[in-house]
Amino acid sequence: RKEVEQDPGPFNVPEGATVAFNCTYSNSASQSFFWYRQDCRKEPKLLMSVYSSGNEDGRFTAQLNRASQYISLLIRDSKLSDSATYLCVVRDTGNQFYFGTGTSLTVIP
Amino acid sequence: EAGVTQFPSHSVIEKGQTVTLRCDPISGHDNLYWYRRVMGKEIKFLLHFVKESKQDESGMPNNRFLAERTGGTYSTLKVQPAELEDSGVYFCASSPGLGGGETQYFGPGTRLLVL
Repeated sequence: RKEVEQDPGPFNVPEGATVAFNCTYSNSASQSFFWYRQDCRKEPKLLMSVYSSGNEDGRFTAQLNRASQYISLLIRDSKLSDSATYLCVVRDTGNQFYFGTGTSLTVIP
Repeated sequence: EAGVTQFPSHSVIEKGQTVTLRCDPISGHDNLYWYRRVMGKEIKFLLHFVKESKQDESGMPNNRFLAERTGGTYSTLKVQPAELEDSGVYFCASSPGLGGGETQYFGPGTRLLVL
């Protein structure tokens, strides 16, 4: 079983739409959670950390459900520039970081 | 502030040859990580340095891979001899503190193709 699982998509949504991604992780003792964004043939870049209380950054909202071991990312009012692959990343107690395969998003004009 | 840099950006070698990848972390970052992404798979952890010490090298595939970080600044990852399955994108990342649980900043990666 993979440490981190994501729906690979692709998600194709019109501009202005709201889209949500989910991610599940297998280690209940995992410590930290992140969403990274990766553009085609570029390096991953941190989008936001995910906290138990949930957190919001502009059009982006991340939530963590420890009981069910899943993390979500909600993007409101999608922009063309949001098109990218979104990576779910989890840090375990041993300080190793585990990546999901990524969810591909394309925002269509 | 300069970001994480990696060299070379691309490398094409034949099976059995040796390749050395270099990573320059953000200045002052104690933590340095190596990752690899094989086509179609997720990014996988290879190892973690804290300054010049290997904190965790449990992700290294086998003894053909050797990573060093002499002086606690830049790091090299040598593959010798390279095999076909070593092809992929090798990312380096760095983060500031000794705790290691902070944001990682990634380099652009080295695309390695072993023929």
